[in-house]
Amino acid sequence: DAGVTQSPTHLIKTRGQQVTLRCSPKSGHDTVSWYQQALGQGPQFIFQYYEEEERQRGNFPDRFSGHQFPNYSSELNVNALLLGDSALYLCASSWIGGLSGNTIYFGEGSWLTVV
Amino acid sequence: GESVGLHLPTLSVQEGDNSIINCAYSNSASDYFIWYKQESGKGPQFIIDIRSNMDKRQGQRVTVLLNKTVKHLSLQIAATQPGDSAVYFCAEKMGNSGYSTLTFGKGTMLLVSP
Repeated sequence: DAGVTQSPTHLIKTRGQQVTLRCSPKSGHDTVSWYQQALGQGPQFIFQYYEEEERQRGNFPDRFSGHQFPNYSSELNVNALLLGDSALYLCASSWIGGLSGNTIYFGEGSWLTVV
Repeated sequence: GESVGLHLPTLSVQEGDNSIINCAYSNSASDYFIWYKQESGKGPQFIIDIRSNMDKRQGQRVTVLLNKTVKHLSLQIAATQPGDSAVYFCAEKMGNSGYSTLTFGKGTMLLVSP
């Protein structure tokens, strides 16, 4: 059973460009959340998708947008990249009925470097 | 906004010692508190969680203690091994369903010397 898979694993972009990151949730999971983890910091919640709609959003600008597809996979898009967007982007999947802490699974992340 | 924070950024121990990693939180409404282990270049890995109505929970070599009076959470690792070297995060889980989101602290790096 594959866990949460993310792609690409590493990428380098130039300021002002746009980037799309992808996530496939763990089998049986229907909810996808995205987190940004700057170097030396804890992950920060960006937004969450369920039933192809954004359900919750953290304190991130509109340059950050996403999408969830009928197969539950998700994309994170960032427009007009800034140097400060350089970070590890983590995808977490869960099941909407999940209660305890061990129902959330993280992928290995996508390392984004903006130059 | 409310946040979860850690007291010690780095903890160095000898193999076989017991390790204690601490965390302070500010949101009393959290339903679960979770400890994650993150190795270099990898995503966070679930270690153990504790529900807000509990004081203590034990797993394999790990124990989590929750003191709601002082809003303090700790992770105890028994007989620490070199493979335990990683960054450890505490996180609050708001809500008791899949709609829940996580609020993380900055993390503590655990270094285990052989």
